[in-house]
Formats: sequence, C-alpha cells, structure tokens
Amino acid sequence: EIVLTQSPGTLSLSPGERATLSCRASQSFSNNYLAWYQQKPGRAPRLLIYGASNRATGIPDRFSGSASGTDFTLTIRRLEPEDFAVYYCQQCGPSPQFTFGPGTKVD
Amino acid sequence: QVHLVESGGGVVQPGKSLRLSCAASGFTFSASVMHWVRQAPGKGLAWVAVTSYDGTNEFYADSVRGRFTIARDNSKNTLYLQMNSLRVEDTAVYYCAKDLSSGWPPLGTFDSWGQGTLVTVSS
Repeated sequence: EIVLTQSPGTLSLSPGERATLSCRASQSFSNNYLAWYQQKPGRAPRLLIYGASNRATGIPDRFSGSASGTDFTLTIRRLEPEDFAVYYCQQCGPSPQFTFGPGTKVD
Repeated sequence: QVHLVESGGGVVQPGKSLRLSCAASGFTFSASVMHWVRQAPGKGLAWVAVTSYDGTNEFYADSVRGRFTIARDNSKNTLYLQMNSLRVEDTAVYYCAKDLSSGWPPLGTFDSWGQGTLVTVSS
C-alpha cells in the first residue's frame, strides 16, 4: 500500500502570501493518479487538482499542482481569505485502495 | 449541478447494523461510478468502497471488507452502504462521492461530494 506523507502539518501564512504544500509518496506511481482536495471546517472536501496538475472545474488559477518523481506539490500563488483550510493529497487509481495523506492545515 | 444528499446516520451499538443512503441528482447517476468516503471526528479522510455504474463491480477498503456492502438502485438514483457488525472505530462522517471518471477500474478521483451523515458507534 502506498503511504502519503504531507508537510508541513501546519502552514501559518497571511493573505497575499504564497503557499507551498508538499506530498511525498512511499513509492512511485503514475502522475495521473494524484489529486488534491480542500476542506473547510464542517464542510465536505472539494476537488482542486487531479492528475497531479489539472485544475478541477471552477478552481481559480492561483491553485496549481506539480510533480517530480514521488514528490507532489500544491501551490497557492496568492492566498485569499477563503483559502485558509485543510488540504489533502490522495493517491487515486489504478489500485482500488485509494489513500489520503494526513493533511496540511493552512492558517 | 451535481447534488448528493446522504441520510441514515445515527447512534448505534457495537455489533449492530445501519444502512446509509445517498440521493443523487443533477447528473446521469446510472452512468457514474460512486464511492463512500468517511472521516472520523477530528481525523483525516479514508476511502471506504466503490461501485461501478451498473452495480456489478465493487471494491472495499480492507478495514470494512466482509462487513460493509455498497449497492445502488439506478431507478431511484440512490446509492447505499449497508454496514454490519459495526465497531467503535467505524464512528465517522460518511460521504458519498462521484468519481471523475465513469470507467472501470475506477479512477478514484472524487469530483463531487455530499454533505455527509454522521454515524456514531457507541454502547
């Protein structure tokens, strides 16, 4: 089973700053199978990025994803007040054991 | 737009059963791969189960295999999760989620989520 490690656990930033969130996989897999989600307190998660670098429908272009080997990065170019939330990376297919990272809180 | 509404959560004793439902609208449910994902209080996300568009194929997380059953009724645009032999560690908010892809095996990328229903397993 692939294990995802996210860092840092908490990222303390201010509006307007750049956020860089890391997700490292315990073994390599296709970049097509990495997604990022945003979750606010008391709300369901929202898909931000799929296939490591593709923005989901309606996601602002200040969100971007990239990949290098087993290292994946979510970048928020300029934080807006509504971006303060918990972010999860997730390994998708092809194995039907879809695992999430532990999350990074941006506050 | 996609709308998913879960129901059926509540408080149940260990060893008992519960069935969750997820009513879908705003998209072609019968052509969509559907999942259940859960989140224990204050914890992260954990995938639970997936079913193919026609309900003939399914996969489960190791932690629930043999106890939970995912099913669907395409005539009612409804997804189900039958949970048997519940354990304290099954306590969580349960979300139904739509897969980004309609193919099989599932892509496992969740592009739409319901608001969740809370299941509490406690004596």
